[in-house]
Amino acid sequence: EAQVTQNPRYLITVTGKKLTVTCSQNMNHEYMSWYRQDPGLGLRQIYYSMNVEVTDKGDVPEGYKVSRKEKRNFPLILESPSPNQTSLYFCASSLVGGADTQYFGPGTRLTVL
Amino acid sequence: AQKVTQAQTEISVVEKEDVTLDCVYETRDTTYYLFWYKQPPSGELVFLIRRNSFDEQNEISGRYSWNFQKSTSSFNFTITASQVVDSAVYFCALRPDPSWGKLQFGAGTQVVVTP
Repeated sequence: EAQVTQNPRYLITVTGKKLTVTCSQNMNHEYMSWYRQDPGLGLRQIYYSMNVEVTDKGDVPEGYKVSRKEKRNFPLILESPSPNQTSLYFCASSLVGGADTQYFGPGTRLTVL
Repeated sequence: AQKVTQAQTEISVVEKEDVTLDCVYETRDTTYYLFWYKQPPSGELVFLIRRNSFDEQNEISGRYSWNFQKSTSSFNFTITASQVVDSAVYFCALRPDPSWGKLQFGAGTQVVVTP
C-alpha cells in the first residue's frame, strides 16, 4: 500500500532532550516536506527536500534540522526541544515538487514539557 | 510574499444545507497552483482538488464544487447538501511557483454539520 509513515505517532518529552521523528514513504517520491500544525495557524512548512541531499528551509525552520540521505526517508530532528515546539507534525511527499499533489503521513503529536 | 486567507474560522450548518468556504490568496507569481485539503476529526489530511493558475474552469465533483476566480484571487469551495461526514477542517493552500518546494496553507475553516 502506498503510504507515508511517521514514527512515533505520539511523544511526550522534556525540554532539551534531543529527539527524532522519522518519516518514510514507499512511493519513490522525490519531494518530501515537514509541516507543523497549530490552532489558528493552519499548517506551516518547516523544511522541504526536492531530492536526495537537497534540503531547504520553509517558513518556520528555527529549532529544527533535517537530512535526506536516502530517497525514502526524511527525518525531522529537534536538537534541543522547547515547549513552543509542542505541536502536531506532518510529513508529506510527492512525486516531484510543484504541481504534484502531496500525500501526508498520519501526523505526530509532540508535547515538550 | 505569498499569503492564503481563510476568513471563516468555523461554519455550522444543519444537514442538507449548502456550505461555501472562502479562500483568498496573494502572490506575485503568474504561475501557481491552488489546493484544497480536508482534515476530518481522525486527523489525517486528505487531498480534494488541485487547480493551476491558467485553468479557471470551475469544477464539480459529486457534492463538491470549486469556483476559481483569478480576477479576485479567490478559490472558493462549496459542499452541496452537506452531510455529517463532511464535518472537518478544510484547508486551502497555494504553491506559488511550480519549480519551488514551498506550500503555503491558510488557517483552515472548521465545518460542523449537525443532523
